[in-house]
Amino acid sequence: AQKVTQAQTEISVVEKEDVTLDCVYETRDTTYYLFWYKQPPSGELVFLIRRNSFDEQNEISGRYSWNFQKSTSSFNFTITASQVVDSAVYFCALSEALGNTPLVFGKGTRLSVIA
Amino acid sequence: DTGVSQDPRHKITKRGQNVTFRCDPISEHNRLYWYRQTLGQGPEFLTYFQNEAQLEKSRLLSDRFSAERPKGSFSTLEIQRTEQGDSAMYLCASSSKPIGTSGHNEQFFGPGTRLTVL
Repeated sequence: AQKVTQAQTEISVVEKEDVTLDCVYETRDTTYYLFWYKQPPSGELVFLIRRNSFDEQNEISGRYSWNFQKSTSSFNFTITASQVVDSAVYFCALSEALGNTPLVFGKGTRLSVIA
Repeated sequence: DTGVSQDPRHKITKRGQNVTFRCDPISEHNRLYWYRQTLGQGPEFLTYFQNEAQLEKSRLLSDRFSAERPKGSFSTLEIQRTEQGDSAMYLCASSSKPIGTSGHNEQFFGPGTRLTVL
């Protein structure tokens, strides 16, 4: 069975600090996809990144970066120089590779960035 | 360009009543998903469609729940004889057809319908 664990329930940082959100996953599939979504106070889930299991390269997009390590089944998300607008709940999710199957989400990490 | 829309945004009902929610996906997307999210939890999969065909239903989807996508465009989710435990945010998402058999495109989510059962 697939499972996603986000051990950090809530994190609070001061603006401009860096913060890393942890994600550990379990799957028996050899091919799978990992995702991060942001859910701001408005409630709508916003897609951030998709990564397939064959691509272990780290990715950077502006202040966001992602570290995928198959050896530890982790897909961590780092925000550099955090801003108040980054305050949200962040979800890590997993799915099988075969054509857009449903996502299995973690419980989310609530990030509060204080000015 | 419009995203995924859901109607209504909020629904308050009394226990035992039936409710129906609607989801309009992004127009060219052939996959449509329903998830449920309770307070402090991540979204949990309920069911999904490819065009008008319902491909999978979660064990969470009791026989009081039914979903349809009659013309492969919008979808409805009906809950019969609502219970207080049905109170949650009901999220709809859609995705486009992947390239090849192993592709996986991101799902775009709507704003959700928040259901409160009194």
